Amino acid sequence: GESVGLHLPTLSVQEGDNSIINCAYSNSASDYFIWYKQESGKGPQFIIDIRSNMDKRQGQRVTVLLNKTVKHLSLQIAATQPGDSAVYFCAEPGGADGLTFGKGTHLIIQP
Amino acid sequence: AAGVIQSPRHLIKEKRETATLKCYPIPRHDTVYWYQQGPGQDPQFLISFYEKMQSDKGSIPDRFSAQQFSDYHSELNMSSLELGDSALYFCASRPRGQGGEKLFFGSGTQLSVL
Repeated sequence: GESVGLHLPTLSVQEGDNSIINCAYSNSASDYFIWYKQESGKGPQFIIDIRSNMDKRQGQRVTVLLNKTVKHLSLQIAATQPGDSAVYFCAEPGGADGLTFGKGTHLIIQP
Repeated sequence: AAGVIQSPRHLIKEKRETATLKCYPIPRHDTVYWYQQGPGQDPQFLISFYEKMQSDKGSIPDRFSAQQFSDYHSELNMSSLELGDSALYFCASRPRGQGGEKLFFGSGTQLSVL
C-alpha cells in the first residue's frame, strides 16, 4: 500500500549547524508533499510544500528537495536554532482522510 | 490571520464519562478533519466532514461520534471514555477550491482520562 515515511526517529544537531531530515514515499504517482513542524503539545504547522514538477523549493532557512527517481524528499534547515526543536513530518495530501502522515523525526538541538 | 480554534485546550475526565471537543475552522474552510495523536505517536485520522456531511471515517471507535454544523464548526463527542483515549486531539481545516491540499491545524485538545 501507499506510505510516506521518514528514515530516522531522532536527529540531534549542534546549534548553528544545518539539519537534513529525510522522507521516502512509495507511490510514484504522488505529486504533492508537505512538511509540517510540530512543537511539543501543539498542532502541526505548515513549513513548506513542493509539487512533483519541481526538484527544489526554498523558503526562509528551509529548503525541500525532491528526488522522484528514488522517491525521496528531504527538508534542510539552515543554521539550526533552538526554536527549530520539534517533530517534523512529511505528509502527502489526498483522499478523504486529508493527509497521509509519515513517521515523525524528532529534531533535537544541542547547545 | 485567523487560525483553527479548538476548545477546550485541556480536558480531564474520568473513565466512563463523556467529553465534547469543539473545532472552529478558518473562515471559508468547508472541510474539517479530526485526528488523534497518542504520546510519541503520529496523528491518526478519525473522521472528516465536507459541507456538513461526513466525508470519511478512519480509526474512530463506535463510542465516538462527530458532526459539522451549519456554521462549519465541528464537535467530536466521546462517550464511555477509556484510559486509552488519553491523547491530543487535533482538528484541521482545508480551504475550498484550488490550493486546498494544505491542512491547517488547531492547537489541539489534550484529553486526559483518569
